[in-house]
Amino acid sequence: RKEVEQDPGPFNVPEGATVAFNCTYSNSASQSFFWYRQDCRKEPKLLMSVYSSGNEDGRFTAQLNRASQYISLLIRDSKLSDSATYLCVVNSGNTGFQKLVFGTGTRLLVSP
Amino acid sequence: EAGVTQFPSHSVIEKGQTVTLRCDPISGHDNLYWYRRVMGKEIKFLLHFVKESKQDESGMPNNRFLAERTGGTYSTLKVQPAELEDSGVYFCASSSRTASPLHFGNGTRLTVT
Repeated sequence: RKEVEQDPGPFNVPEGATVAFNCTYSNSASQSFFWYRQDCRKEPKLLMSVYSSGNEDGRFTAQLNRASQYISLLIRDSKLSDSATYLCVVNSGNTGFQKLVFGTGTRLLVSP
Repeated sequence: EAGVTQFPSHSVIEKGQTVTLRCDPISGHDNLYWYRRVMGKEIKFLLHFVKESKQDESGMPNNRFLAERTGGTYSTLKVQPAELEDSGVYFCASSSRTASPLHFGNGTRLTVT
């Protein structure tokens, strides 16, 4: 079983739609959680950190449920420019250092 | 501020040859990481330097891989001898503090034929 599991998609949505991605992780000792975005043949870029209380950044909302070991990302009012692969990332480092574990990513395609 | 730079962007070599990848982190970043993505798989951790010291090299696949960071500035990752399964994209990342977000480079796409 992979340490971080994501639905690979693709998710095909029209502009303006709301789309949600889910992710589960297996290491209960994981300390921090992130969503990264990766465009085709580019490097991963941090989209947002995920906190237990839930956090929002514009059209993006992230949620963490530690009890269920479940992370989500909600994108409202999708734009064409949101088309990318969204990577669920968990920091499994246990010595105070970061050791990121990536999911395989969920591909999003936003169409006109 | 210049980002993390990696060289070369692409490399095509034959099985059995040697390849050296280079990473220049953001200036002043003590933490430097190597990750890689092989075809169809997720990005995986290889190792982590703090300055010139290897903090964690638990992700290195085998002893054909050698990473160095002499002087605590740029880092190299050498694969010798390369095998077909080493093909993939090798990413370097750096951060200023251990808990700070990682900044990734554009990656080196390695193809072993």
